[in-house]
Amino acid sequence: NAGVMQNPRHLVRRRGQEARLRCSPMKGHSHVYWYRQLPEEGLKFMVYLQKENIIDESGMPKERFSAEFPKEGPSILRIQQVVRGDSAAYFCASSPPTGNPNTDTQYFGPGTRLTVL
Amino acid sequence: KQEVTQIPAALSVPEGENLVLNCSFTDSAIYNLQWFRQDPGKGLTSLLLIQSSQREQTSGRLNASLDKSSGRSTLYIAASQPGDSATYLCAVRIRAGANSKLTFGKGITLSVRP
Repeated sequence: NAGVMQNPRHLVRRRGQEARLRCSPMKGHSHVYWYRQLPEEGLKFMVYLQKENIIDESGMPKERFSAEFPKEGPSILRIQQVVRGDSAAYFCASSPPTGNPNTDTQYFGPGTRLTVL
Repeated sequence: KQEVTQIPAALSVPEGENLVLNCSFTDSAIYNLQWFRQDPGKGLTSLLLIQSSQREQTSGRLNASLDKSSGRSTLYIAASQPGDSATYLCAVRIRAGANSKLTFGKGITLSVRP
């Protein structure tokens, strides 16, 4: 069972371009979370999605950022018109829908490191 | 608003030493608390998960404790090794279900000297 997969692992964009980050959850997982880790900062929650639904987007910047988790295919985090302050590591995590408190954890992918020039 | 604090930000110890990493959180109404390890340029690996009703969890040389009422958790590492060098992150989850985000501390970067 492959773990959470993210691609690309490294992404370089110029200011004003678009960045698309992909996350494939573990097999059988229907919950996806996106976190951002700025330099010298901890991970900050961005958005929580289930298939075709955004459950909690309280951590998403109001502009330029969007996320989706379609019925088929990976979850996508999209950043439009990137700025230098968007440079960070973006981590995706997934969890199963079991709700078992003893195993209710999130499994993290390796991250995508975005650099905006 | 839940805030998680990990102090100090960095720690350097000689090999073989037993050590304790601290984590504090402001809101004691948590669902569970989790310790992660992050190696440079890599993702997060879950080390231990403690439910709100539990006091501690153990895995090999690692022991994590939870004192929910005082808003504290500790990660104890016995007989530290150079391979333990990494950043250790503490995270709390408020509740299961719809609002399931993790709130992280900034981490403690541990260096174990040979």
